[in-house]
Amino acid sequence: KAGVTQTPRYLIKTRGQQVTLSCSPISGHRSVSWYQQTPGQGLQFLFEYFSETQRNKGNFPGRFSGRQFSNSRSEMNVSTLELGDSALYLCASSLQGQGVNTGELFFGEGSRLTVL
Amino acid sequence: GDSVTQMEGPVTLSEEAFLTINCTYTATGYPSLFWYVQYPGEGLQLLLKATKADDKGSNKGFEATYRKETTSFHLEKGSVQVSDSAVYFCATAKGAQKLVFGQGTRLTINP
Repeated sequence: KAGVTQTPRYLIKTRGQQVTLSCSPISGHRSVSWYQQTPGQGLQFLFEYFSETQRNKGNFPGRFSGRQFSNSRSEMNVSTLELGDSALYLCASSLQGQGVNTGELFFGEGSRLTVL
Repeated sequence: GDSVTQMEGPVTLSEEAFLTINCTYTATGYPSLFWYVQYPGEGLQLLLKATKADDKGSNKGFEATYRKETTSFHLEKGSVQVSDSAVYFCATAKGAQKLVFGQGTRLTINP
C-alpha cells in the first residue's frame, strides 16, 4: 500500500512569489492535515481537511490556504512568500479524521521550501 | 491552549545505554499522548501512544507511561542501538483533529 506522497520534495522560491504543494494521502484515507516544521518553531499545525471541508485551522496568516479534492488529494498554497516561510511542510493522512485521538496519522516525507 | 515541553537535546549516548527523554504536557481534560520519531530524510512515524491515565505504550523496545498526576509521558528504552538515532517528538491531542508537538529531541547513538 503506497504511503503519503508529497510533491515537490524540494523547491526554491523568492520573496513575493507563491507556491502550491501537493499531497496524495494513503488510498482510502479521507482526512489530510498539514504541518509546518522549522528549527525555531518546531512542528505547527496548519489545517485539516475531511471530505473536502476544512475542519480545523491553526494560527497562520491568511496567506496560507488549502483545499481538498473529491479524491482526497490535497493542496496547500502560500502566497506572497516571506523568508520566514522557509520550512519543511508535512502532510499527514488518516482514515476517518478521528485518527488524531488514536495517534494514527501517517506522514509523508515533506516538501522542503526555501525562500530567498 | 495545550502545550508540550520536551527535554532539550541533542542527546548523545553510547550503544546499549539507557535512554530517557522527558516530556510533560499542559492540557485540560484527558488528552491522548504520543511519541513520534523522525529518521533522517523521512517523515514522522508513530512510535507509541497512550490514550488514558496509567496506560503504557510500547514499541520497538521503547516505553512510555501516561502519568496524569505529573502530566508526564517520558520515553524510555533499556538498551539503545545506533539505529535509534533520530529526532523524537512528544505530542498530545484532544478532540480536535490536530496534534500539538513538543520541540523534538535529537538523539545520536555512538557505536
